[in-house]
Amino acid sequence: DTGVSQDPRHKITKRGQNVTFRCDPISEHNRLYWYRQTLGQGPEFLTYFQNEAQLEKSRLLSDRFSAERPKGSFSTLEIQRTEQGDSAMYLCASNSGTSVKSNEQYFGPGTRLTVT
Amino acid sequence: KQEVTQIPAALSVPEGENLVLNCSFTDSAIYNLQWFRQDPGKGLTSLLLIQSSQREQTSGRLNASLDKSSGRSTLYIAASQPGDSATYLCAVIRYAGGTSYGKLTFGQGTILTVHP
Repeated sequence: DTGVSQDPRHKITKRGQNVTFRCDPISEHNRLYWYRQTLGQGPEFLTYFQNEAQLEKSRLLSDRFSAERPKGSFSTLEIQRTEQGDSAMYLCASNSGTSVKSNEQYFGPGTRLTVT
Repeated sequence: KQEVTQIPAALSVPEGENLVLNCSFTDSAIYNLQWFRQDPGKGLTSLLLIQSSQREQTSGRLNASLDKSSGRSTLYIAASQPGDSATYLCAVIRYAGGTSYGKLTFGQGTILTVHP
């Protein structure tokens, strides 16, 4: 079990550029979540996938954001035309969701985005 | 809308002290509650998950309690060590009628410093 992995770990980009992040969940987990965390705050929910289906998107996820999970395995989160307010840690989590205990979410190390 | 509050925002204690971190939530219709640890610039590590039907969970020096009716949870850390220094976050999953896809709502966290 290699845990949840995210790539890249750090990304510095200029305002207006597009960025894409990748998340690889724990292999047997069919549920995948994206969260965003700004400095000094708890993470906030962005979106959720069950297998390849995106079942919920937060209002935080503006139309500049898009997430995919094409084969129900890894997921990508793309931000178009980045703004300075997008600077945050983007966290990915996964679980299997088949029982109460399996609702426990396992988080990756995060991708730190800095928009200059 | 579920709101989660953690008190205190920061805590500094000498090594060896027992301590309590508090978490309160406004909507008692929760599925479970999860406590996490976050080291600076890192992802989240799950510490304990308490199901809504449970009163407490223990893992080593950690004990988490849940009083769903009053909307409160506490994390008790016994014999604190400098290595316990981190941000501690609590998060709840709202009950969704028979199943829950697991969107977590987080508090802002308690920054714990244990000094030698």
